[in-house]
Amino acid sequence: AQSVTQLGSHVSVSEGALVLLRCNYSSSVPPYLFWYVQYPNQGLQLLLKYTSAATLVKGINGFEAEFKKSETSFHLTKPSAHMSDAAEYFCAVANFGNEKLTFGTGTRLTIIP
Amino acid sequence: EAEVAQSPRYKITEKSQAVAFWCDPISGHATLYWYRQILGQGPELLVQFQDESVVDDSQLPKDRFSAERLKGVDSTLKIQPAELGDSAMYLCASSLARGNGYTFGSGTRLTVV
Repeated sequence: AQSVTQLGSHVSVSEGALVLLRCNYSSSVPPYLFWYVQYPNQGLQLLLKYTSAATLVKGINGFEAEFKKSETSFHLTKPSAHMSDAAEYFCAVANFGNEKLTFGTGTRLTIIP
Repeated sequence: EAEVAQSPRYKITEKSQAVAFWCDPISGHATLYWYRQILGQGPELLVQFQDESVVDDSQLPKDRFSAERLKGVDSTLKIQPAELGDSAMYLCASSLARGNGYTFGSGTRLTVV
């Protein structure tokens, strides 16, 4: 069975500081990995995805993530936080051949002015 | 940009009443998903359709929930009777191909009183 673990349900960073949101996955086969962002009372928006091409994936809004097979990790980063980045972030995993996404429990990102 | 349409955005219903949600996926997306997201948690898959066929409904509480996608386009999710524990965000998503991730609608926020 596939699963993801997001370390830290709440993360606070100062505006302009580095954002690091952690995600570790468990999968018996090479995974597809995704990061989604959710603003209050909204659906989820795809930030970026890893589908076995380049291990460093660039997404929207200046976010990027690196797939590290040896660490079974797919952490999300952004060099400089902006107030508009405040939201809930979800890591998700799917297996090749099975489109079902399994989501983590989410990390709420707060930006301190 | 194409969107997944959901209605209503908000629904308040009394316990034991019936409630229904509607979803219109992006045109051409054969795969449609209904997810339930309880406050503070990640989304959990309820049902997955490929065209008009159910691919996975293993997590759908079939004693009270039903879902259909009769013509392989739009879909309806029904709850009858609603229970207090059904209060959640119900998210619809669609996808074009494996590995692309989903496009989510804005969701329906259900409150059962």
